[in-house]
Amino acid sequence: GQQLNQSPQSMFIQEGEDVSMNCTSSSIFNTWLWYKQDPGEGPVLLIALYKAGELTSNGRLTAQFGITRKDSFLNISASIPSDVGIYFCAGSPGKAGNMLTFGGGTRLMVKP
Amino acid sequence: NAGVTQTPKFQVLKTGQSMTLQCAQDMNHNSMYWYRQDPGMGLRLIYYSASEGTTDKGEVPNGYNVSRLNKREFSLRLESAAPSQTSVYFCASRRPMDSPLHFGNGTRLTVT
Repeated sequence: GQQLNQSPQSMFIQEGEDVSMNCTSSSIFNTWLWYKQDPGEGPVLLIALYKAGELTSNGRLTAQFGITRKDSFLNISASIPSDVGIYFCAGSPGKAGNMLTFGGGTRLMVKP
Repeated sequence: NAGVTQTPKFQVLKTGQSMTLQCAQDMNHNSMYWYRQDPGMGLRLIYYSASEGTTDKGEVPNGYNVSRLNKREFSLRLESAAPSQTSVYFCASRRPMDSPLHFGNGTRLTVT
């Protein structure tokens, strides 16, 4: 089946630093989504991307839909302690359709 | 407005025992999903129900059955639990052709 490679698997950064993570796919996706999961909770959608090349921001978060449609990037600027959690990318051949494929997650730890 | 509610939150089973994980949503969503989450593997789709009265297999359906009891409720049954089914199970829902998936807070299942 489809695979999403998400990197890095974990990051331990200082508060205030910027963060970058990415996902690459073995096949083309038409939708890319980025989720955040806090401990003991389900994932919550951060950003949805629907067009190749699209760049979308949500506060300090910015995500890009790669022009090849096989990758996506998430950046967090000026990290704060509440950014701690696991970030997942997810892709779909359709419009956020039934067959979402999730990446393995990036665990972010922020040192105050 | 509770969103997606999963019960129980935690469960320990012995190999061979059966149990049903319950999920209910109060957002009038048509589509409902069951995922499992294992370390480093993201979320993998077990079964989904695109609308009331229909169910379809996802990526990892073996060992599971589902029932879409009504528009609100979608249950996941393990007939004969195995240690490989130790995981965190998430239920999610969404409207058709709409993003995002709304996740419950998960059921942590251990099979010994």
